Amino acid sequence: GIQVEQSPPDLILQEGANSTLRCNFSDSVNNLQWFHQNPWGQLINLFYIPSGTKQNGRLSATTVATERYSLLYISSSQTTDSGVYFCAVERTAAGNKLTFGGGTRVLVKP
Amino acid sequence: EAQVTQNPRYLITVTGKKLTVTCSQNMNHEYMSWYRQDPGLGLRQIYYSMNVEVTDKGDVPEGYKVSRKEKRNFPLILESPSPNQTSLYFCASSLSSGSLYIQYFGAGTRLSVL
Repeated sequence: GIQVEQSPPDLILQEGANSTLRCNFSDSVNNLQWFHQNPWGQLINLFYIPSGTKQNGRLSATTVATERYSLLYISSSQTTDSGVYFCAVERTAAGNKLTFGGGTRVLVKP
Repeated sequence: EAQVTQNPRYLITVTGKKLTVTCSQNMNHEYMSWYRQDPGLGLRQIYYSMNVEVTDKGDVPEGYKVSRKEKRNFPLILESPSPNQTSLYFCASSLSSGSLYIQYFGAGTRLSVL
């Protein structure tokens, strides 16, 4: 099956810092989503981004499908950005199964 | 408000006592799915449903059952829970099958089987 690798596995930031999270995938995909799992365990959709660039407030994401990677940018980080960020991809006709990466655990310190 | 609702949010039970985790969506989505999340293993799909009365196994279906009698509901049934089913469970839905549709997740159900 498709492999999804995220880096770095852990990230400690000072409030106000910027950061970049990376997601590499081993095969072509038709769907890519970024999620934030908050400390209470809830999975929050951040972006649906199979290709191109999107921005939502302090967050933005870029997917280069031909090179099989996606980047999530966090600017001016806040303590509420803490949690685990997951990249998930789907291949064609795979039962709509999202294959998740291992996540990047982010801790933003005040 | 568009949402996927799971109940209960937290459940502690004992080995062998049948339980059901409910999942309901109010977005008229055709596709629904269950995942479990375990440390070191990430999120893995248990079962999915393309539409009413259409269900199929995901990656880790052993020990689980599902049903899809109505479009909005997709309950997860553990007939005889065991400790290795202790996990965080998520229900998800999307408008349709196929890669063009965002999957929306419920808030999760944290299950402990003693």
